[in-house]
Amino acid sequence: NAGVTQTPKFQVLKTGQSMTLQCAQDMNHEYMSWYRQDPGMGLRLIHYSVGAGITDQGEVPNGYNVSRSTTEDFPLRLLSAAPSQTSVYFCASNRDSAHEQFFGPGTRLTVL
Amino acid sequence: AQSVTQPDIHITVSEGASLELRCNYSYGATPYLFWYVQSPGQGLQLLLKYFSGDTLVQGIKGFEAEFKRSQSSFNLRKPSVHWSDAAEYFCAVGPNTNAGKSTFGDGTTLTVKP
Repeated sequence: NAGVTQTPKFQVLKTGQSMTLQCAQDMNHEYMSWYRQDPGMGLRLIHYSVGAGITDQGEVPNGYNVSRSTTEDFPLRLLSAAPSQTSVYFCASNRDSAHEQFFGPGTRLTVL
Repeated sequence: AQSVTQPDIHITVSEGASLELRCNYSYGATPYLFWYVQSPGQGLQLLLKYFSGDTLVQGIKGFEAEFKRSQSSFNLRKPSVHWSDAAEYFCAVGPNTNAGKSTFGDGTTLTVKP
């Protein structure tokens, strides 16, 4: 099993550009989440999904969109990148809330 | 709403010394509690978890944690720290429902002195 994979590992964008961060898992987990990690602020939940076709907002959803058309994939879209979105983004999956999350290796995004 | 507080931003211990990292949570019922470790440039890895039952839980790499309901705490301990334990540690609380959301503390960075 590859676990949770994320692409790309690094990305530099200009303000106003859009892009999609990819996340895939091969563990047949129903739950998937996107977090951003900024120094001194821990992990903040952006969006999450409890199954295909079901998504909900976390604590910092503005500027991001998600969709969940399959169990395996949970892409995160930045609609119009801003410097405030410079961060490290982690995708995670778990079987349900009673089980631990498995994290991908992260995507380091810089917005100029 | 659930929340997690890790009071110590940074802790330095000598190799071989004991370690305790603090975690306090706020949740209306008995939560699911987790400790994760993050090495530099890596994702998070689960150290241990508490769901119910025995309040002292054992994890990987010689770590343990104790759930204390009366203090709303879930502190992480290790009797003898190794240089390879230097990392960032996150406490997390998850709901015991199917709402799906977990909440993380801000993390504690551990430095190990030789």
